[in-house]
Amino acid sequence: GQNIDQPTEMTATEGAIVQINCTYQTSGFNGLFWYQQHAGEAPTFLSYNVLDGLEEKGRFSSFLSRSKGYSYLLLKELQMKDSASYLCAVEDSNYQLIWGAGTKLIIKP
Amino acid sequence: DAEITQSPRHKITETGRQVTLACHQTWNHNNMFWYRQDLGHGLRLIHYSYGVQDTNKGEVSDGYSVSRSNTEDLPLTLESAASSQTSVYFCASSAGRDDSYEQYFGPGTRLTVT
Repeated sequence: GQNIDQPTEMTATEGAIVQINCTYQTSGFNGLFWYQQHAGEAPTFLSYNVLDGLEEKGRFSSFLSRSKGYSYLLLKELQMKDSASYLCAVEDSNYQLIWGAGTKLIIKP
Repeated sequence: DAEITQSPRHKITETGRQVTLACHQTWNHNNMFWYRQDLGHGLRLIHYSYGVQDTNKGEVSDGYSVSRSNTEDLPLTLESAASSQTSVYFCASSAGRDDSYEQYFGPGTRLTVT
């Protein structure tokens, strides 16, 4: 079966750094996506990794290891507006996105 | 500015009724998707389309249907609404693999079946 695992909830402090992990087992791999979803809103695209390594985009970075079926999203200099759910999704061999249940990130002052 | 819209944003219906949720995008994207999102689950794909007259079943397609008569619209129909179909429904679109890979999501429709 296909499976995406990520922690249900994490708490971090404003100004700190947090790492959200995602592990996956899918039938094929054509890329991994991270999306941000604020409560009651639509998901919005954050990052895409298809090759191993780190992709940096401002305060957000995403890492991929295909051999380990593992990715993480790193958020630096946390702000209160970063409180949201972070969704990991893998594009499988049929080019369909398989989604994790999401990690709810709570930022405390 | 290009956008993707959904209507209605909220809907309450009764068991057994037919319901249609609208999705309209002005990105001129070939690919369109319908997902449902339930607490404790990731987004689950209902149906998708890669172009006009093309429709495909996703992971949870039973009880749902779609049609694609033009590029802009992919309406989702619940043929006979059931309480298990109470959910938040998201429509998304993408340009396709040769262009941009990210999916753009509509604001969602919260459907309650009583």
